[in-house]
Amino acid sequence: EDKVVQSPLSLVVHEGDTVTLNCSYEVTNFRSLLWYKQEKKAPTFLFMLTSSGIEKKSGRLSSILDKKELFSILNITATQTGDSAVYLCAVERGTYKYIFGTGTRLKVLA
Amino acid sequence: EPEVTQTPSHQVTQMGQEVILRCVPISNHLYFYWYRQILGQKVEFLVSFYNNEISEKSEIFDDQFSVERPDGSNFTLKIRSTKLEDSAMYFCASRGIEDKEAFFGQGTRLTVV
Repeated sequence: EDKVVQSPLSLVVHEGDTVTLNCSYEVTNFRSLLWYKQEKKAPTFLFMLTSSGIEKKSGRLSSILDKKELFSILNITATQTGDSAVYLCAVERGTYKYIFGTGTRLKVLA
Repeated sequence: EPEVTQTPSHQVTQMGQEVILRCVPISNHLYFYWYRQILGQKVEFLVSFYNNEISEKSEIFDDQFSVERPDGSNFTLKIRSTKLEDSAMYFCASRGIEDKEAFFGQGTRLTVV
């Protein structure tokens, strides 16, 4: 059975801290891994990773994929209160399906 | 910036009633999806739709559910006879041929009472 597992389930940090969120997967017919940020309603896209070892970066956020060990990490440096959200990892299986993990709830305290 | 729009944002319905959730995907997108998220739980795949037919569906998507693209712009999810456990946030998403990521709408919160 396909599965996507995220850890930790929740995390509380202080502004300025660096956090690392983990996503491991066992999915047949893997095509890509995506990270989304979910604040109140719709998940908003952060990164898509298809190749191992190539870091994607956007401001204070970065992500990398390891297709051999079947995991990805999302790093957030110098966290701000606006980073508080649920971070979702999704794996694209084939063309027609994204499988989501349970998410990591991040709370950043001022 | 183009976006996926969903209506209504919140719907309350009585158990056993039929509901139709509406979505307008991003124009020129060709892949469409419905997902749901029960409060406090993970986002779950329901169905994907491509080339005017269902491409894949989950075990959640039983005979009570159906999808339709009645015209060139709308994509609807119908639940024929709602149950209490259908209460959830329903997300529509779409993706273009060249895109890898799906773009999500703001969701419809369905409450079955």
